Formats: sequence, C-alpha cells, structure tokens
Amino acid sequence: DIQMTQSPSSLSASVGDRVTITCRASQGISSSLAWFQQKPGKAPKSLIYGASTLQSGVPSKFSGSGSGTDFTLTISSLQPEDFATYYCQQYKSYPLTFGGGTKVEIQ
Amino acid sequence: EVHLVESGGDLVQPGGSLRLSCAAPGFTLSDRHLDWVRQAPGKGLEWVGRSRNRANGYTTEYAVSVKGRFTISRDESKNSLYLQMNSLTTEDTAVYYCASLGSSGYSYAYWGQGTRVTVSS
Repeated sequence: DIQMTQSPSSLSASVGDRVTITCRASQGISSSLAWFQQKPGKAPKSLIYGASTLQSGVPSKFSGSGSGTDFTLTISSLQPEDFATYYCQQYKSYPLTFGGGTKVEIQ
Repeated sequence: EVHLVESGGDLVQPGGSLRLSCAAPGFTLSDRHLDWVRQAPGKGLEWVGRSRNRANGYTTEYAVSVKGRFTISRDESKNSLYLQMNSLTTEDTAVYYCASLGSSGYSYAYWGQGTRVTVSS
C-alpha cells in the first residue's frame, strides 16, 4: 500500500497568512493526488485533483503543486472560512489512501 | 447542483449486518465511478471501496480492512449505490460517505452528507 504522510499535523495561522501543507507519498504516484477540505461535522469538499487542477468553483487562493512523491497545498491568503482540516489522497493505485490530515487553526 | 444522499446508518451489535444506500435524485449514477469513504469518530478519512461505472462493468475494489465482509453493489433501476456490511466490529463505527468521481474520472466531484454507523453492544 502507498502511505501518505502529511505535515504538519496541525498549524496555527492568522487571517491573511500564506499557508503551505505538505504531503509525501511512500512511492511515486506521478500527479495522482487530490486535496480535500473538511470542516467539523461536515462532509469533505474536493479542492484539487491531478496535484494542481482546481475543482470547479474552488477559489484561486488554493493552489497545489508537486509530482512523484512530494506535494504541497498552498492557501495564498488565509480567510476565516479556510480554518478547517485538509487531507491529501493518492489515487495512483488501490487501495486508495489518505494522509492523516492537517488541522489549520486560528492563531 | 448534484446531491448524493446516504441512508441506512444505525446502531448495530458486533457481528451484525447493515446495508447503506446512496441515491442521487436527478443525477445518473451509472456513468460515474462511486466510492465509499468512512471516518471514525475523531479520526481521518479512510477509503472503503469503489464501484466502477457501467462502462467498466460495475467492477469493485475494496480496502483490505473490509474485504470479504463488505460488498458494494448498484441498482441501476433505482439509480442507487449500496454498501452491504457484514460481520461488523466496533472498528467499523464511523460516518460513511458516498462520493462520485467527476467526469474526468480522477477524483471526487460530489460527496454525500454521510450516514452514521455505530457498532456497539
């Protein structure tokens, strides 16, 4: 199985900050990586697929990059609605696997 | 706007069975790959399994943790997806989401609101 490791597991940031979350795969997955946002008590929301392609309707303050084993999700200017937990997922091979999540909290 | 609606979550005893459903009024599910994803209380997301679309014969894939106990199926006439869960353990306690891949076929475009399964005596 491909293991997905996210870092950090949590971070504190202020409104307006630029935030970067990292996801590392235990083996190469090309660009077969997605990012999701989840708020407490809610279903996940899809943000990015193909490592860098925004899902329809997702604001451009979110961006993704990387290929192979190392990936990043960047939020260019953190807003109150962005405080949430973020997950990466590889879909290169079965079983599909998620990272452990990164909780973004208000500083 | 596409809405996936899960149902069937309940409290069940260890060793019991439960069937979850996922429907999508006004949205044809047969064209899409559909996954079940679960989230145990206070934990992260875990992929449970996949039903590929009609063009791919509705073939399935499963996580190791559920293989042999869970079965994913569809009823095209009801435009629905199902998750039959047998031999349930406390480790299966979670909110279960169905998710539809987008037209690109690469990742999820739509998620349901989830249905809660509690396995406890």
